[in-house]
Amino acid sequence: NFMLTQPHSVSESPGKTVTVSCTRSSGSIASNYVQWYQRRPGSSPRTLIYEDNRRPSGVPDRFSGSIDSSSNSASLTISGLKTEDEADYYCQSYDSGNLWVFGGGTSLTVL
Amino acid sequence: QVQLQESGPGLVKPSETLSLTCSISGGSIGNHYCSWIRQPPGRGLEWIGYIYDSGYTNYNPSLKSRVTISIDTSKNQVSLKLRSVIAADTAMYFCIRGKYSYVGDFWGQGTLVAVSS
Repeated sequence: NFMLTQPHSVSESPGKTVTVSCTRSSGSIASNYVQWYQRRPGSSPRTLIYEDNRRPSGVPDRFSGSIDSSSNSASLTISGLKTEDEADYYCQSYDSGNLWVFGGGTSLTVL
Repeated sequence: QVQLQESGPGLVKPSETLSLTCSISGGSIGNHYCSWIRQPPGRGLEWIGYIYDSGYTNYNPSLKSRVTISIDTSKNQVSLKLRSVIAADTAMYFCIRGKYSYVGDFWGQGTLVAVSS
């Protein structure tokens, strides 16, 4: 099976743009859709991105997802950072048996 | 708006069975997948498994020997049983509903289960 590797933490200032990466260890990142979830302290997770770059209704367009085959990675980009974006972010994909794989999570600090 | 609510004991003794129920309101479990996810304190998300409304299941291989997920479409509920629990099973447990097997769109608020004697 493959692993998804995320940076442990990132930080950026309000109003700026930040990108969180998610690198797949083996197999093509394009083979299986990537999802992104946000978990704010004290709240349950929320689905931000599904199928690489699609947003569920209600998710602001400040959040966007993409994949890059050259680096075999997916990215979550958050523009116009707000203090409320401070949270843990997880990428997730699945293998050929439809078994889910989560990245280790990235803690975003907005300072 | 679809809402999911997990329920069950907050404390389970080692070697016993953890049993949780996920009740779905505002929408049907029909034609959807329902997954269970857990997060141990201070750690990341871990997928436990999912069930489709037909009863088809798929489990995390690391937990497969101890896990059973079942569905009651008449009650719009999904259940999780985890046998022979150990301290490492202490976690916040979430259920999520999704249209496809690989993603969830609506999440429950989660329930904290501690394994301790």
